Amino acid sequence: EAGVTQSPTHLIKTRGQQATLRCSPISGHTSVYWYQQALGLGLQFLLWYDEGEERNRGNFPPRFSGRQFPNYSSELNVNALELEDSALYLCASSLDRGAYEQYFGPGTRLTVT
Amino acid sequence: AQSVTQLDSQVPVFEEAPVELRCNYSSSVSVYLFWYVQYPNQGLQLLLKYLSGSTLVKGINGFEAEFNKSQTSFHLRKPSVHISDTAEYFCAVSLIIQGAQKLVFGQGTRLTINP
Repeated sequence: EAGVTQSPTHLIKTRGQQATLRCSPISGHTSVYWYQQALGLGLQFLLWYDEGEERNRGNFPPRFSGRQFPNYSSELNVNALELEDSALYLCASSLDRGAYEQYFGPGTRLTVT
Repeated sequence: AQSVTQLDSQVPVFEEAPVELRCNYSSSVSVYLFWYVQYPNQGLQLLLKYLSGSTLVKGINGFEAEFNKSQTSFHLRKPSVHISDTAEYFCAVSLIIQGAQKLVFGQGTRLTINP
């Protein structure tokens, strides 16, 4: 069974541009979570999608947004990139909104110059 | 508020020595606890979990953890470590708040194994 996949592996953007990160959950999982892992800041919860709806949001500005598609894959968009957005972005999936276990993908390394 | 505290940011040990990575949580409700491992340049892998039942939980790669409700702790242990255990370890607590599941992570402990 394939795990959570993310693309691209690496992404280099300049300040002010937009970045789009993609995630495919484990087959049969309906919930997708996004986390930011920035140097020195640990793992910060960004967004949670379940059944196509945004269910919860972390303490991030509105320029961080996303969506979940009918096949449960998800996209994270970061607009007006800032240098401090440089981080590893991790996607996780769980079986459904009531499941406690989350399974993580390998991450997308976003570098903003 | 719920939080997770990993008491050591770095733990160096010699190969084949035992190790304990400490984790404390604060919560006024029932919790579900996890340990994840992150190898260099990779995502997080679930090591073990406590949802209910026996307080001693066994995970992959020879790791185990003990849930102690009175001390609000969930320390991770391994009796004999290998070079390949060098990684960052994250303790996490899962809570349902107003119908929304939240996974709250500690700051991580970097485990370094010396030959």
